Amino acid sequence: QQQVKQSPQSLIVQKGGISIINCAYENTAFDYFPWYQQFPGKGPALLIAIRPDVSEKKEGRFTISFNKSAKQFSLHIMDSQPGDSATYFCAASSYSGGSNYKLTFGKGTLLTVNP
Amino acid sequence: DAGVTQSPTHLIKTRGQQVTLRCSPKSGHDTVSWYQQALGQGPQFIFQYYEEEERQRGNFPDRFSGHQFPNYSSELNVNALLLGDSALYLCASSLTGAREKLFFGSGTQLSVL
Repeated sequence: QQQVKQSPQSLIVQKGGISIINCAYENTAFDYFPWYQQFPGKGPALLIAIRPDVSEKKEGRFTISFNKSAKQFSLHIMDSQPGDSATYFCAASSYSGGSNYKLTFGKGTLLTVNP
Repeated sequence: DAGVTQSPTHLIKTRGQQVTLRCSPKSGHDTVSWYQQALGQGPQFIFQYYEEEERQRGNFPDRFSGHQFPNYSSELNVNALLLGDSALYLCASSLTGAREKLFFGSGTQLSVL
């Protein structure tokens, strides 16, 4: 059962363009939604994250939009640069106290930014 | 700060063998999680260790087991390897409950022939 669905699978944008990646979740117990960036040969690195009590969070060129009623969230990368070329994963987590948490990841989006 | 370190970086095994992967968490972190990332897929949660005990487990068979040591380092053991166990195995560490500051290592690439 795939609890976090991510689209598109791959995305090609021109330098300076906007990259948009979408995710949808099913489990209403999720209360933390991070986005991770992964370069080849490296582990995922936290990019930006949001909680469901806000509808948008912006950090530099990266913005998360969150729609709680639709159970959807998206990552927008403004002014995309070739250095942004990587695989992006959305994830979701529920927390049951102490150290009891886990991340459920989407399948990833391979972003290519052409110069 | 060395971050999360994993060893070895690459490993080749044959079906039926056993393998042990190792992880040293980021300095100050006491919680370690393991994830399996198949080619072209997102990471899948295997289990999480805190205070030397398995706290949560994902949908993985008992062939997958782990251990956490008093210095917070951890091992992932996989018995009776199958071809389908070929994947990148990622270790992630954090401070207790601080999922907002979860750091991943670069992983161990396991190939089962």
